Amino acid sequence: DAKTTQPNSMESNEEEPVHLPCNHSTISGTDYIHWYRQLPSQGPEYVIHGLTSNVNNRMASLAIAEDRKSSTLILHRATLRDAAVYYCILSVNNNDMRFGAGTRLTVKP
Amino acid sequence: DTGVSQDPRHKITKRGQNVTFRCDPISEHNRLYWYRQTLGQGPEFLTYFQNEAQLEKSRLLSDRFSAERPKGSFSTLEIQRTEQGDSAMYLCASSTPSIAEAFFGQGTRLTVV
Repeated sequence: DAKTTQPNSMESNEEEPVHLPCNHSTISGTDYIHWYRQLPSQGPEYVIHGLTSNVNNRMASLAIAEDRKSSTLILHRATLRDAAVYYCILSVNNNDMRFGAGTRLTVKP
Repeated sequence: DTGVSQDPRHKITKRGQNVTFRCDPISEHNRLYWYRQTLGQGPEFLTYFQNEAQLEKSRLLSDRFSAERPKGSFSTLEIQRTEQGDSAMYLCASSTPSIAEAFFGQGTRLTVV
């Protein structure tokens, strides 16, 4: 199974950008890169996904390395409500999503 | 549509008892997933349905666990002869093949005493 590697935790200051890295050196050509986040006492929430090109949506941006072996989730201006565990997942379809331990993001006021 | 709904939100049971959880997916979502999450860990995949067909089961799903999705609508997850190690949050999610986004419910927290 393709796997991802993320730092256990990161800290950010409020209203500053946050770059959350993910390594996926064994990614295959058909794997999409998904990001989900989980707020305390909530189920995971979709953030963004991509295949090869960088992606932007209202929540975040996803920067994908040219060789696709790594990616970075970018929160342009972190708020206190962005404090959560962020999961980077490889999936061909949603039916094979395997979550790792994720990165716990702390946002300091 | 109010999203993925799970019932109950909390369940406390004695070891050895059977429990059943229900998940109502978003209307017209033909894919439904069950995950289990313990404290400090990411969700672990348990099983996946496309319509009423159970297409994949994790090895984590022992013979004490069974899931059904009659008529391809709601789904139930049953745990027989519960053990303390079954204490966890059980999450349900749904999606369609045409979108990449899976929607999760708020989960059922099971405590086995």
